Amino acid sequence: GENVEQHPSTLSVQEGDSAVIKCTYSDSASNYFPWYKQELGKRPQLIIDIRSNVGEKKDQRIAVTLNKTAKHFSLHITETQPEDSAVYFCAASKTDSWGKLQFGAGTQVVVTP
Amino acid sequence: NAGVMQNPRHLVRRRGQEARLRCSPMKGHSHVYWYRQLPEEGLKFMVYLQKENIIDESGMPKERFSAEFPKEGPSILRIQQVVRGDSAAYFCASSPIKQVIGNEQFFGPGTRLTVL
Repeated sequence: GENVEQHPSTLSVQEGDSAVIKCTYSDSASNYFPWYKQELGKRPQLIIDIRSNVGEKKDQRIAVTLNKTAKHFSLHITETQPEDSAVYFCAASKTDSWGKLQFGAGTQVVVTP
Repeated sequence: NAGVMQNPRHLVRRRGQEARLRCSPMKGHSHVYWYRQLPEEGLKFMVYLQKENIIDESGMPKERFSAEFPKEGPSILRIQQVVRGDSAAYFCASSPIKQVIGNEQFFGPGTRLTVL
């Protein structure tokens, strides 16, 4: 089955700096890669996603890149703010597995003022 | 348009009791996924259901766990004879299944189960 690895497990950045989180996946048939943000005690919230027919997607300060050949995808947050502090999860799914998401272990991001 | 609803938000059970968790998907969504999140870990897929059908239960423990999504009413995740290791946050997510590749899943607030 699919295996998703996520690095780093913790990331501390100064406010205004950029944060990058990387994930790799094992199943070349995976074709959908969402990113979720989870604040303490809250639900995971979708922040951005990318499909296999696209190499890059951007939404304001957040961008995601996908390298299908290398089977890895990354989340980039620019101009970080204290409210970006949270746990971020990457995930992968494929059409013929009913869309079930296989999640990475998560990255704890701390943005210090 | 209300989001995904789950209840109860917190549930305390003693070992050997039954836990029943409910999930109402977003309006217009007929696909429900259940995930379990152990403390300080990622989310693990448990089961995927459509109305009146279990489609994929490959992530469900073989014993004590069951799920349903009846024609009317919420989806229910049932855990019989709970043990301490069942303590976790259980999230459900619903999806509209509109696209061929990748459909967004929207998560509920979760039920935090504590087994004493």
